[in-house]
Amino acid sequence: GAVVSQHPSWVICKSGTSVKIECRSLDFQATTMFWYRQFPKQSLMLMATSNEGSKATYEQGVEKDKFLINHASLTLSTLTVTSAHPEDSSFYICSAVHSGDTQYFGPGTRLTVL
Amino acid sequence: DAKTTQPTSMDCAEGRAANLPCNHSTISGNEYVYWYRQIHSQGPQYIIHGLKNNETNEMASLIITEDRKSSTLILPHATLRDTAVYYCIVRVSPNTDKLIFGTGTRLQVFP
Repeated sequence: GAVVSQHPSWVICKSGTSVKIECRSLDFQATTMFWYRQFPKQSLMLMATSNEGSKATYEQGVEKDKFLINHASLTLSTLTVTSAHPEDSSFYICSAVHSGDTQYFGPGTRLTVL
Repeated sequence: DAKTTQPTSMDCAEGRAANLPCNHSTISGNEYVYWYRQIHSQGPQYIIHGLKNNETNEMASLIITEDRKSSTLILPHATLRDTAVYYCIVRVSPNTDKLIFGTGTRLQVFP
């Protein structure tokens, strides 16, 4: 139980285009999901907190207009990187809170912007 | 959430027990100790958590000292697939707040 999936697992796009990443909790409902970003050889850094039915809460320094988050249902949150640039290339990971407590993570999405 | 201190890296021979320490001397009475690991190019994986009693599951055992200022994650029979970065995180529970990851311990299991 407590499985979180992400789609796609990797994506390559041209600079200036937008990319959508999906995060799904497969066997549980999650009112809260989180989006993290990880650069090579670094630890995970939280980008935003996604709450079902309400606006996401962004961490300091994360542009909300660039990283659009939608949490339309209890099992799905999406992250859209708008007008992606090479510096947005990173490993994006989501997590979902199970039973109001333990976080379970998705497998991650590797984004490469050319 | 209380701060944790972990060694930067550790080695372990395959088949032997891997004992990963974590210091959390400022832990509060209502804070739990959580362990996650991240295998290269994958999302973090939940391992185990505990408050004050020792805990065991199919993946690992968690030993928490009586004063709760430190803990040890034990992988009883390490395999090459256990090579990963292991994170010790202290936080209250239940909790829907974000996880804050430190630098963790890079465990290398060798043949």
